[in-house]
Amino acid sequence: QKEVEQNSGPLSVPEGAIASLNCTYSDRGSQSFFWYRQYSGKSPELIMFIYSNGDKEDGRFTAQLNKASQYVSLLIRDSQPSDSATYLCAVSGGFKTIFGAGTRLFVKA
Amino acid sequence: EAGVTQFPSHSVIEKGQTVTLRCDPISGHDNLYWYRRVMGKEIKFLLHFVKESKQDESGMPNNRFLAERTGGTYSTLKVQPAELEDSGVYFCASSKQGALNTEAFFGQGTRLTVV
Repeated sequence: QKEVEQNSGPLSVPEGAIASLNCTYSDRGSQSFFWYRQYSGKSPELIMFIYSNGDKEDGRFTAQLNKASQYVSLLIRDSQPSDSATYLCAVSGGFKTIFGAGTRLFVKA
Repeated sequence: EAGVTQFPSHSVIEKGQTVTLRCDPISGHDNLYWYRRVMGKEIKFLLHFVKESKQDESGMPNNRFLAERTGGTYSTLKVQPAELEDSGVYFCASSKQGALNTEAFFGQGTRLTVV
């Protein structure tokens, strides 16, 4: 079992819709959860992080964490073509950060 | 404040040659990570330094890869001799030390092509 799993996609949504990106992890001791966005040919950039169970909202982005189910998700409301990128889930416990394979998102104009 | 910087941005070398990648973390960041993304695959963890010490090098693929962080500042990743499957983008990231592992900031990556 991979330590961090994401659906590779591509996930295609129309402009203005909600994009839902999901991630599961295997280490129950994980403490910190991050979502990174990576545009083609660029380095990953942090867009959200969450430490506690529940929802965390930042603008059009909402991160959801359920530690009991070992599940973290990212919702993007009012999706824009500029949101088209690969979204990487990262999980950290102790000192090491492990990344998922990423989900490619396409937002169609 | 300068971000994480990596040199070179691109490198094309022949199989069997040696290449050294460099990463300068954000000043004050004790944690330094190396990751690699091979075309079409996920970002894979290579190793993690805390200051000058290797905290975890479980992701290093084989003994052709050598990472150092002398003095706990910049880090180098040497591949010797390079093989075709070593091609990919090598990312360096750094973060502060903390009770909860804080966010990692990435460099722009070094694209390595072995021909």
